[in-house]
Amino acid sequence: ETGVTQTPRHLVMGMTNKKSLKCEQHLGHNAMYWYKQSAKKPLELMFVYSLEERVENNSVPSRFSPECPNSSHLFLHLHTLQPEDSALYLCASTATPDVYGYTFGSGTRLTVV
Amino acid sequence: GENVEQHPSTLSVQEGDSAVIKCTYSDSASNYFPWYKQELGKGPQLIIDIRSNVGEKKDQRIAVTLNKTAKHFSLHITETQPEDSAVYFCAAGGSQGNLIFGKGTKLSVKP
Repeated sequence: ETGVTQTPRHLVMGMTNKKSLKCEQHLGHNAMYWYKQSAKKPLELMFVYSLEERVENNSVPSRFSPECPNSSHLFLHLHTLQPEDSALYLCASTATPDVYGYTFGSGTRLTVV
Repeated sequence: GENVEQHPSTLSVQEGDSAVIKCTYSDSASNYFPWYKQELGKGPQLIIDIRSNVGEKKDQRIAVTLNKTAKHFSLHITETQPEDSAVYFCAAGGSQGNLIFGKGTKLSVKP
């Protein structure tokens, strides 16, 4: 375990379903991130939270909705997804919103059918 | 926009040989260059990093070199072992405070 825990590890959902991904960090970090990892593509930054406030939203479709209730927890709410949204979704945290010291979780493998 | 090119996409070596992965970046303001190793079923883990005021850094069997003029940086793994098999990602710390990642290199070390 890296100190960043993601659940569930695997998720299969239909295009009309609503589901949520959860991320929890036990490192005392103040910034948390959602990344999308697709095959043969660079990691894509989706959202950045610093001290529970969203500081970045990289033109992500509104069918992805993040929530950060406190500095230890981060959620990604999913609804009416498309098959092309199938990917590995990674959560990461850093002590401050910067490029140094990323700790990643193991990810949630999402399949949209 | 900013991007990081990584080569090769796949690399197969014999156990004990060396492996080299190369990256180039576009943002001349980048000043931080980490390398991540991702094993099957796990998230990326930082294995080594280098900052722009240093040309080379070594940690046991792995080393990273940086050529800021050419905007190149490379990962070198010597005396490879089967447990080095994984996907390796380079990244560059962009001027906007985010990491820009390469597409990854799948390294296979054959016993």
